[in-house]
Amino acid sequence: EAGVTQFPSHSVIEKGQTVTLRCDPISGHDNLYWYRRVMGKEIKFLLHFVKESKQDESGMPNNRFLAERTGGTYSTLKVQPAELEDSGVYFCASSQDVGTGPSEQYFGPGTRLTVT
Amino acid sequence: GIQVEQSPPDLILQEGANSTLRCNFSDSVNNLQWFHQNPWGQLINLFYIPSGTKQNGRLSATTVATERYSLLYISSSQTTDSGVYFCAVERRGGATNKLIFGTGTLLAVQP
Repeated sequence: EAGVTQFPSHSVIEKGQTVTLRCDPISGHDNLYWYRRVMGKEIKFLLHFVKESKQDESGMPNNRFLAERTGGTYSTLKVQPAELEDSGVYFCASSQDVGTGPSEQYFGPGTRLTVT
Repeated sequence: GIQVEQSPPDLILQEGANSTLRCNFSDSVNNLQWFHQNPWGQLINLFYIPSGTKQNGRLSATTVATERYSLLYISSSQTTDSGVYFCAVERRGGATNKLIFGTGTLLAVQP
C-alpha cells in the first residue's frame, strides 16, 4: 500500500511569488490534514478535510493560504503571495474515517519551502 | 488549549546507550502518537499509543493516560536514531482530530 505522497519535495521561490503544494493521501482515507513546521519551531496544524469538505481550518495563518481538495482525493495548498516567514516544512497527513473516534494519522515526507 | 511538553529538549548519547524521552500533556486525549523526524526532515510514525505499552525492535513506548504522560524508550541507540522526536496528541472531546505537537526532543547519537 502506497503511503502519503507530497510534491514537490523541495521548492525555492522568491518573496511575492506563488507556490502550490500537492498531497496525495493513502487510498481510501477520507481525512486529510495539513501541518507545517517553520523556523525550527513545533509542528502546527493548518487544516483538516473530510473528503472534500473543510472540517477545521482554524490553523490557517492568513488569507494568503488556500487549500482545496477537489473530489475528495488529492489536496493542494497554495501560498500567494509567499512571504519570508512562510519558509518551513509543510506536511500532509491522512487517516481513515472511524466515525467520531480517533485514528492514526500517517504523514507524508513533507515539502521543504524556502522563500528568499 | 491542551499543552504538550517534551523533555529533555536536547540529548546527546554515545552509540549503544539507552534513553527515555518523556511527553506530558495537560488534558485527556483520544490519541497519542510518537514520531521521528530524520535529518532529511521526514516524519516517521513510530507509535500510535493512546494507552498501554507497545514495542517495536529497539523502541518501546508507554502511555499512562490517567496520569497524562507518555514515555519513549530507545535501547542500544545507533547513529541513525539521531533527529528530533515528537509526541503529538488529539484532545478528547475536540471538534476535530487535529494533532497538537510537543516541541520535540533533539537527539544526537555519537559513534
